[in-house]
Amino acid sequence: ELKVEQNPLFLSMQEGKNYTIYCNYSTTSDRLYWYRQDPGKSLESLFVLLSNGAVKQEGRLMASLDTKARLSTLHITAAVHDLSATYFCAVARAGQNFVFGPGTRLSVLP
Amino acid sequence: GAGVSQTPSNKVTEKGKYVELRCDPISGHTALYWYRQSLGQGPEFLIYFQGTGAADDSGLPNDRFFAVRPEGSVSTLKIQRTERGDSAVYLCASSLVPGPMNTEAFFGQGTRLTVV
Repeated sequence: ELKVEQNPLFLSMQEGKNYTIYCNYSTTSDRLYWYRQDPGKSLESLFVLLSNGAVKQEGRLMASLDTKARLSTLHITAAVHDLSATYFCAVARAGQNFVFGPGTRLSVLP
Repeated sequence: GAGVSQTPSNKVTEKGKYVELRCDPISGHTALYWYRQSLGQGPEFLIYFQGTGAADDSGLPNDRFFAVRPEGSVSTLKIQRTERGDSAVYLCASSLVPGPMNTEAFFGQGTRLTVV
């Protein structure tokens, strides 16, 4: 059974600081996704990572994938308040459903 | 429409009643997913359709839950004899047939179901 873990589950950080969120998964998978969710809203796709060593960046967020370690990271650079949200990673195999992690609730404080 | 549309956005029902939740996926997307999200938790898989057929319904919690997608587009999630524990946000997502490039899933705004 595919299981996805994230840490930390809660993260409070100051503006301007850097931090990394970790996503571990239990079995070999084809794709890894990062989503953002604001309170009361749906899930917004951030990144899709398809292969070992994949790295994608958008603004202050950078995601990477190590399939051998079954690990993905979401790195936040010089955080700003607008990044406050819950971040989910999800893992899938081709033709199968997505399995989500529990989420990391990020609060960026001024 | 441009995105995944779910109706209603909110539904309050009495315990024991029957409810239907509708999902209208992005045009041309053959894969459709239903998830359930409780407060403070990650989305929990319910069922996944490829075209008209349920490719994986292993996430449906019991036989009170059923979903259909008769024409391979709109899907309806049906819950019989609702219980208070069914209260959650029900999310629908759609994607193109999985392949090297077309693997992203887009989520709707969800239906918030409250069973009183």
